[in-house]
Amino acid sequence: GEDVEQSLFLSVREGDSSVINCTYTDSSSTYLYWYKQEPGAGLQLLTYIFSNMDMKQDQRLTVLLNKKDKHLSLRIADTQTGDSAIYFCAEREEDSSYKLIFGSGTRLLVRP
Amino acid sequence: SQTIHQWPATLVQPVGSPLSLECTVEGTSNPNLYWYRQAAGRGLQLLFYSVGIGQISSEVPQNLSASRPQDRQFILSSKKLLLSDSGFYLCAWSKGGEQYFGPGTRLTVT
Repeated sequence: GEDVEQSLFLSVREGDSSVINCTYTDSSSTYLYWYKQEPGAGLQLLTYIFSNMDMKQDQRLTVLLNKKDKHLSLRIADTQTGDSAIYFCAEREEDSSYKLIFGSGTRLLVRP
Repeated sequence: SQTIHQWPATLVQPVGSPLSLECTVEGTSNPNLYWYRQAAGRGLQLLFYSVGIGQISSEVPQNLSASRPQDRQFILSSKKLLLSDSGFYLCAWSKGGEQYFGPGTRLTVT
């Protein structure tokens, strides 16, 4: 069955780069996502990558996809204290439901 | 532009009481709709999804149910709440590649 795994916690210093990693199992997924959740809030779609891409860059965010290893990463450049949150990766199920399978989330703590 | 609303934002209910959470989407038609639950400190669990009016698929058997009486309205219900129903309930919609979430309802069952 589908399973998405992430490390639970990451701590970085303000100004450094953060790299959050994720592995997934469904090789048929055509979309892979990164969401951000701040305390008490819903999930904010940060970015997504189509499976035929290796990399996608959007301002401070860079997504890398290694389809062979089923590995996805999110790099945040010049990490700010406002980036402190939980980050979820997700893969999309390729049927009419388009439901997402989420990892358990990585809590990013940015130290001043 | 599309927006998604959920209400109420917070809810405290006693065990055994009924539940009704509502989600509405504006600015799109015939979206896929989803209910997720997030337990404290954990990831998201898909509860129900709907690909059209009156079409509900359940992912996890439990005492919750869902209905879609209108194209852009999705309701999560229970006849009798359990303590284990406490959590953060998130509604989402998708059409094509992206899935967007509402602000969530925090439910505490006492």
